[in-house]
Amino acid sequence: KAGVTQTPRYLIKTRGQQVTLSCSPISGHRSVSWYQQTPGQGLQFLFEYFSETQRNKGNFPGRFSGRQFSNSRSEMNVSTLELGDSALYLCASNLQGGDEKLFFGSGTQLSVL
Amino acid sequence: GDSVTQMEGPVTLSEEAFLTINCTYTATGYPSLFWYVQYPGEGLQLLLKATKADDKGSNKGFEATYRKETTSFHLEKGSVQVSDSAVYFCALRVNTGGFKTIFGAGTRLFVKA
Repeated sequence: KAGVTQTPRYLIKTRGQQVTLSCSPISGHRSVSWYQQTPGQGLQFLFEYFSETQRNKGNFPGRFSGRQFSNSRSEMNVSTLELGDSALYLCASNLQGGDEKLFFGSGTQLSVL
Repeated sequence: GDSVTQMEGPVTLSEEAFLTINCTYTATGYPSLFWYVQYPGEGLQLLLKATKADDKGSNKGFEATYRKETTSFHLEKGSVQVSDSAVYFCALRVNTGGFKTIFGAGTRLFVKA
């Protein structure tokens, strides 16, 4: 069974641009969540989706948005990029969106210049 | 708000030493508690979990007990190996009208031969 797949693996953007990251969960998993990982702040929760509905959201500005499609694949978008958005963005999936464990992808490393 | 505090690293130990990584949490509701591990060059993966008070999670010689009275979930291992060198993340998962997972900052462990 394939794991959680995130694309692209690396991205370089400039300030003011926007970016879209993609996440394909493990087959059969209905819940996808996103996290931002930085050396200073650690892993911070962005949002979680279940069956195409955003069920919870972290404390990030509205420039960060996401969506989930009917096949459970998810995208997150960051508009008007800032230098501080440089981070590793991790996606995780789980089966039913409950308190079962998360399966993580390898992440997308975003660099904003 | 919901938060996880874990001891700062790095922690450096000799092989066969005893390991403790402290983790305390603050949560609305009744969270499930997790330890995730990130080995060098690999993605985050679940190490162990506990879903209710006094539960003990265990895996690969690691243990942690869910202590509701002290809001703690300390990670322990009796005899570490070089292969345990990694970053360890304590996390809580809670349902606040939708599930979210909150991570601690991570503790880097180095084990010397």
